[in-house]
Amino acid sequence: EVQLVESGGGLVKPGGSLRLSCEASGFTFSDYNMNWVRQAPGKGLEWVSYIRSSSSYRYYADSVKGRFTISRDNARNSLYLQMNSLRAEDTAVYFCTREGCGGGDCYFNPDPSDSWGQGTLVTVSS
Amino acid sequence: QSVLTQPPSVSGAPGQRVTISCTGSSSNIGAGYDVHWYQQLPGTAPKLLIYGNNNRPSGIPDRFSGSKSGTSASLAITGLQAEDEGDYYCQSYDTSYIFGGGTKLTVL
Repeated sequence: EVQLVESGGGLVKPGGSLRLSCEASGFTFSDYNMNWVRQAPGKGLEWVSYIRSSSSYRYYADSVKGRFTISRDNARNSLYLQMNSLRAEDTAVYFCTREGCGGGDCYFNPDPSDSWGQGTLVTVSS
Repeated sequence: QSVLTQPPSVSGAPGQRVTISCTGSSSNIGAGYDVHWYQQLPGTAPKLLIYGNNNRPSGIPDRFSGSKSGTSASLAITGLQAEDEGDYYCQSYDTSYIFGGGTKLTVL
């Protein structure tokens, strides 16, 4: 069974930093591209960042570019999001997602997120 | 404001059919990018419902179907059930990954 478990959320002051982690299990982590998606309280979904399976490509939403860094450790089956210079508008539940089509071939543009973690809440407030 | 426009809410009685639209433009859906749909039940993480415009993941009942035409896509739910109540989001691509603003489905 595919499992994604996020951790590292919490309360942080504006301007502060936080590092989120996502531990993957139940699949060959190194074969899959991964994303971070966030959801502000009572709001919709917002894509945050993408990383290729080999870490060769990384993309960011304009709202976090220059402040957030996505990374992964395939040996540890883990995805990370380093968040610096945090702002009140970064307050959200952060989900890590696996790109895929349920284990089969996936040739869409973009590929869907077929697995989601339960999310970790980040609150930026003084 | 989302690049993909969804109605804020839709409703229907049990057993009825509802549709949720996702309207984009020539730079996203109209450019040929695929559309995916996610269901988010209250208090839970989103779940993939439809991928690649009209494909259902394993375990998703055939009451759910998707379509795409021109610059828009639609999600149809037939035989509405109380457990379908929740939020639905479309996703595609423009200059980056994009989501619709979400539609709250209420089962009357």
